[in-house]
Amino acid sequence: DVKVTQSSRYLVKRTGEKVFLECVQDMDHENMFWYRQDPGLGLRLIYFSYDVKMKEKGDIPEGYSVSREKKERFSLILESASTNQTSMYLCASRPTGTGGNNEQFFGPGTRLTVL
Amino acid sequence: AQSVTQLDSQVPVFEEAPVELRCNYSSSVSVYLFWYVQYPNQGLQLLLKYLSGSTLVESINGFEAEFNKSQTSFHLRKPSVHISDTAEYFCAVSDPAGYSSASKIIFGSGTRLSIRP
Repeated sequence: DVKVTQSSRYLVKRTGEKVFLECVQDMDHENMFWYRQDPGLGLRLIYFSYDVKMKEKGDIPEGYSVSREKKERFSLILESASTNQTSMYLCASRPTGTGGNNEQFFGPGTRLTVL
Repeated sequence: AQSVTQLDSQVPVFEEAPVELRCNYSSSVSVYLFWYVQYPNQGLQLLLKYLSGSTLVESINGFEAEFNKSQTSFHLRKPSVHISDTAEYFCAVSDPAGYSSASKIIFGSGTRLSIRP
């Protein structure tokens, strides 16, 4: 059974704290993604990675950074958390394929609250 | 640039009634289309997808969607819903000309389907 896991389901942090969200996939996928999900806005892509140590900005990268030191692990970092980063964060992975027609597998999400 | 519009943010229906969740997209190139479902407190999972060929695609739990190129739509339908279908549904389009080999998927804003007994 394929699996994408995220380190925490719920997280509460204070403004200014450094926050790490971890994602691990066991499917040997090349591509990994971080999204945030907000009511009425759907999923917005923050960053993605198509290989180890490779990363590219998505649509809303400001205030975030990422790290991919190993193929199975993709970390999202909030250098200094702010209240407007309170959201649901979803990690996903997908194998490399032609034309983007491969299924994207999602983790269960981390609901982050910044006080 | 590609975009996806889900016209209804919430759709309440009675159990065993039919339902249609609307999705329109814009793109200047050929696309792949997807519907994902998110059950309460879970991540998203693929419901069905259109890549090519028959314009009508079906899922294992009775949903179907029809690709209509002239109307740039990919509406999701089910003839008779169950309580277990309560979830949020996301329409998505892939970007074949995406970055490197990752080919981004662009999601709509979601439609929350609530089933009343």
